[in-house]
Amino acid sequence: KQEVTQIPAALSVPEGENLVLNCSFTDSAIYNLQWFRQDPGKGLTSLLLIQSSQREQTSGRLNASLDKSSGRSTLYIAASQPGDSATYLCAVGGLIGTDKLIFGTGTRLQVFP
Amino acid sequence: KAGVTQTPRYLIKTRGQQVTLSCSPISGHRSVSWYQQTPGQGLQFLFEYFSETQRNKGNFPGRFSGRQFSNSRSEMNVSTLELGDSALYLCASSPRGTGETQYFGPGTRLLVL
Repeated sequence: KQEVTQIPAALSVPEGENLVLNCSFTDSAIYNLQWFRQDPGKGLTSLLLIQSSQREQTSGRLNASLDKSSGRSTLYIAASQPGDSATYLCAVGGLIGTDKLIFGTGTRLQVFP
Repeated sequence: KAGVTQTPRYLIKTRGQQVTLSCSPISGHRSVSWYQQTPGQGLQFLFEYFSETQRNKGNFPGRFSGRQFSNSRSEMNVSTLELGDSALYLCASSPRGTGETQYFGPGTRLLVL
């Protein structure tokens, strides 16, 4: 049974810092891994999707890496801003593209001015 | 394109009642997934519909059901509501399935008294 864990559960950093969020999964047989952000009381916004054959994806100040063999992914946020404050969730899909997504527990990030 | 919409946004019900939630996906998207989000359990997969067929189902009791219409709009129904059903219910859509970027709606917040 796939289990997804995110560490740390919460993080508070000053504006301008570079930071790394971690996501671990127990079963390496995944189709892809997705990172999302969720603002309080709202839905999820997709940030990055990494296919199982890829090592990393980049979008603006965000960079996500995937090491399938070790069951790990990291989300790197460069030059953090107060607007980055949100909960960040990772999710892994099963072996085929139609399997359900299993979500991690999330990391609550606060960036203060 | 308009985003994923969910109605109603907020709902208050009493134990034993039933409730129907609606999700309209992005135009052209044929896959709709439903999730339950609670502080204790996080985001949990309920089911996924594609072209009016349930393709995947999570580990929820039979009180939770859903359907999808020919225009890809989806509804989920919860019968005999329990206090533990209080949650944020999110739906997500994509063109073909969970192996692609998921676009989430704002959610329906259900409170069971």
